[in-house]
Parts: sequence; structure tokens; C-alpha cells
Amino acid sequence: SAVISQKPSRDICQRGTSLTIQCQVDSQVTMMFWYRQQPGQSLTLIATANQGSEATYESGFVIDKFPISRPNLTFSTLTVSNMSPEDSSIYLCSVEESGSIYEQYFGPGTRLTVT
Amino acid sequence: GQQVMQIPQYQHVQEGEDFTTYCNSSTTLSNIQWYKQRPGGHPVFLIQLVKSGEVKKQKRLTFQFGEAKKNSSLHITATQTTDVGTYFCAGTGSNDYKLSFGAGTTVTVRA
Repeated sequence: SAVISQKPSRDICQRGTSLTIQCQVDSQVTMMFWYRQQPGQSLTLIATANQGSEATYESGFVIDKFPISRPNLTFSTLTVSNMSPEDSSIYLCSVEESGSIYEQYFGPGTRLTVT
Repeated sequence: GQQVMQIPQYQHVQEGEDFTTYCNSSTTLSNIQWYKQRPGGHPVFLIQLVKSGEVKKQKRLTFQFGEAKKNSSLHITATQTTDVGTYFCAGTGSNDYKLSFGAGTTVTVRA
């Protein structure tokens, strides 16, 4: 399966600032996703990162708050903008490998704390 | 989209005992997947079920997909301390590639 890395692994940020999270995959993949997981909770899909076009956002998530880039088939970024303490969470990228059917592989996650 | 419900939320198991976690969807699923997340870790794909009534086994883990493709179960026999973690089911709808995750079952094991 694909090897996925995320940077940073964790960060503590002040409210009102922005943080960009990077997701790097060791092979080309068609589908990349960004999830949020609050402590002790399940995973919530933020958006699907589309290569060469705008991301597809889920209900409750907007581009101004969570801008996403996907410049190629191995890399994506998620920015958490104008942060508030409610944004404290683990942010995970995942990929669906080319040739697989829907099974996803997750990166190690970025633990964000907003103070 | 579909809503996926999972019970129980917590499962405290004596080492060596069996347990089952259940997953139910509000709509018919195209497929269902199971993931395991160890404490402090990220979700790891375990298995995917696609066919109505399908049963798959991985060592001590048995996964089932219901006949109506609206429910699934994970049964673990002879629980070990390595089974500790949260097990999530996740399903996709008929015309959708996106996964809807259940709330997860967090398993602790008493030695």
C-alpha cells in the first residue's frame, strides 16, 4: 500500500492564525481526501482534493476556511484558516490507491491545538 | 448520504473472550469496510466486503455483510491485548465513492 506522510505531525497555534498541513504520497494516486477527527470521535470528511481543479467540500466545510491545493498526483495541502479553539482536532489525509475500489489508506495525522 | 451507526460504543473484554461489534446503515450500501485505529495512531484498513451475505475471515476476526447490504458485523474470538483499539466500519452508497464512518467501537482488554 501507499506510504503517506504528513507535516507537521503536531502544532500549537494561536487563534486567528492559519496553519498549512502537507500530505505527501510515495506513489501517484487518483483520490485524496482530508478528514477531521476530534478527540475520541469518528472521522468526518472535510473534502476531496481534486488534482488540477477545486476541491469538493462536504456540508459544513467551506473553501474560505479550509482551502485545499492538489498540484499533482502525489501531494496535497490543507490550510486551516483564521483558527479558533473549536478547530483543535486531528487532521488526516487519506488516499485511494489506483486500482483499488474505495479502500483508503491514511496518513499519520496532524494534531492541532488552538489556544 | 447514508448514515452509518455502530454499536456498542465501548467494549470491555476479558482476555480470551469473544465479542462482536455491529454496524447498521440507513440505506443500502455498495460496500462496507472496517478499519482499526490503535490509541494514538491512525485508521488502518482491515477489510472490504462487497457481496450480499459475504463472510471473510482474518485469523481471529470474522467480518460479515448482511443480505440486504445494510448491516455488518465484526466478531473477534479469543481476544488478545493486541486487539485494543477503536474499530470503525465505513460504507459507501450506490453512487458514491465517499466513505461514511460509524462512530466506532473502542475495545479495552482486561488481562
